[in-house]
Parts: sequence; structure tokens; C-alpha cells
Amino acid sequence: NAGVMQNPRHLVRRRGQEARLRCSPMKGHSHVYWYRQLPEEGLKFMVYLQKENIIDESGMPKERFSAEFPKEGPSILRIQQVVRGDSAAYFCASSRAGTVNTEAFFGQGTRLTVV
Amino acid sequence: GENVGLHLPTLSVQEGDNSIINCAYSNSASDYFIWYKQESGKGPQFIIDIRSNMDKRQGQRVTVLLNKTVKHLSLQIAATQPGDSAVYFCAEKGPYDYKLSFGAGTTVTVRA
Repeated sequence: NAGVMQNPRHLVRRRGQEARLRCSPMKGHSHVYWYRQLPEEGLKFMVYLQKENIIDESGMPKERFSAEFPKEGPSILRIQQVVRGDSAAYFCASSRAGTVNTEAFFGQGTRLTVV
Repeated sequence: GENVGLHLPTLSVQEGDNSIINCAYSNSASDYFIWYKQESGKGPQFIIDIRSNMDKRQGQRVTVLLNKTVKHLSLQIAATQPGDSAVYFCAEKGPYDYKLSFGAGTTVTVRA
């Protein structure tokens, strides 16, 4: 049973380009969470999605950032017109149900570098 | 993340000794706590969790203690091994909440 799969593992973008980060949840999981980790810091919640629905995007910047979790395919975190401050590790987690009562498993992350 | 923190950013431990990693939280409504281990270049790995109706829980070589009176959480690792070298995060969430709040992490280095 494969774990949470994220790709790419490393992504380099120039300022102003778009970054697309993908996350395939564990088999049987329909809840996806995106977190961002800056160097030397803990993870910060960004967005929580279920299939075809954004449940909570309170941690995601209002501009340039968007997320989706379509009926088919992986969840996508999209960052438009990237800036240097977007450089971070982006982690996706998935759970079978909302993590009120269940554990969320994390992927290996995508490390975004904006040059 | 702002409600959860760790007392020490780094901890150096002799191989074979026991490790104690501490975490303070400020949200008294939190009722679920998790310890994660993160190795370099990898994602957080679940170690152990505890709910607020408990004050102690044991796993394989690890024990989590919860003191709700002083809002303190600790992770004890018995007979620390080189493979335990990593950054350790505590995370918490409140009832009916689904997002975790993480502390800044403690870097554990095991000396041979």
C-alpha cells in the first residue's frame, strides 16, 4: 500500500513563473491537507480538501495560491507568479476521514526554490 | 503553530541514553496531541499520539506524557539510537478540528 505520493520532489522556478505541486493520497483516503514548512520552522496549515470540495483554505494566501482535489486524479496546489518568499517545503497529508478522529499521513514533500 | 512550542531547539544525547523532548502548548481547548519525527529531506512521520483524557501512553521505545494542568507534553525515547537523530515536532488540535498546529521542532542528535 503506497503512502502519500508527492511530485515533484524538487522544483525550481524563476520569479513570476507558475508552480504546480501534486499530491496523490493514500489508497482509500479522500481527505487531503496541504502544509508549508519554512526553513527551521514547523509546518503551517494551508488548506483542507475533500474530493471536489475545498473545506478550509484559511491558511492559504488569498492571492496567487489555489488548490483543487478533482474527482479523478491528484490534488494540485498551484502557485502563480511565484516570488522568492514562496521558497519552502510543501507537504501534503491524507486521511481516511477528517482528522477529528483519525491520523493523517504525510508525503515526502515538494521543495520549491524560487530563483 | 503559534499555540504550540518546544522548550529547546536542540538536544544532544549519548547513544543508549534516554531522551526527553518537551513541548508547551497554550490552547487549553486542545484535546489531541501528536509527536512527529522528521528526518532530513523527508516528510513528518507519525510516532505516537495521545488524547486529553489520558496522561500517559506508551509505544515501542517511546512514551508520551501529557500534563494538562501546566499544558505540557513530553516525548521520552528509551535507549536512543543513531537512527533517532531527527527533528521532532509536537502538534495539537482542538475538538472537532481537523488541522494540526505544529511547534517549531527540536533537533535531536545522537552521539556515538
